Amino acid sequence: EVQLLESGGGLVQPGGSLRLSCAASGFTFSTYAMSWVRQAPGKGLEWVSRITGSGAYTSYADSVKGRFTISRDNSKNTVYLQMNSLRAEDTAVYYCATDPRGWYFDHWGLGTLVTVSS
Amino acid sequence: EIVLTQSPGTLSLSPGERATLSCRASQSVSSSYLAWYQHKRGQALRLLIFGASSRATGIPDRFSGSGSGTDFTLTISRLEPEDFAVYYCQQYGISPRTFGQGTKVEIK
Repeated sequence: EVQLLESGGGLVQPGGSLRLSCAASGFTFSTYAMSWVRQAPGKGLEWVSRITGSGAYTSYADSVKGRFTISRDNSKNTVYLQMNSLRAEDTAVYYCATDPRGWYFDHWGLGTLVTVSS
Repeated sequence: EIVLTQSPGTLSLSPGERATLSCRASQSVSSSYLAWYQHKRGQALRLLIFGASSRATGIPDRFSGSGSGTDFTLTISRLEPEDFAVYYCQQYGISPRTFGQGTKVEIK
């Protein structure tokens, strides 16, 4: 059974940094691209970033480009999202998801809440 | 980017009834690259439908998707108690991939 468990969320001041982690199990992690998707309070879902299985290729939404960095450690079956220069509008629940083809998202985690506020 | 508008915002129905959820795109979604997800409170989102009409693994056949171009529909033929949830559509035909704002199916 595929399981994805996000962690690392919390309260951070504007301009601050946070690193999210997503621990995966139940599948061959290194062969799967992964994405982060977020949902701001009362808003819809927004794709944030994607990384291929090898980690060689990454992509980002325009709203986070230059501020967020996605990475992975296949020896630990974990994908990360380093978030810098955080803004109030980054406040959201952040989900990791399997994203094998860059099309739809097969499996999702439960999410971790990031709140950017002074 | 493609804007997806879901309607209605909330659907109040009884178990056993038929649910019809709409997802309208601001421009044509190429090759019917549209997916549907179910989200129950406290649970992970679940992929229901991809390619507009193909059910994901393990999804009951009471869930069906249809449509093309700019108009797509998710139908739940007979609502089971576990089907009351929020449903999202997502297009993956044009980058960036985008989602609708969701339709909540609640018990009447």
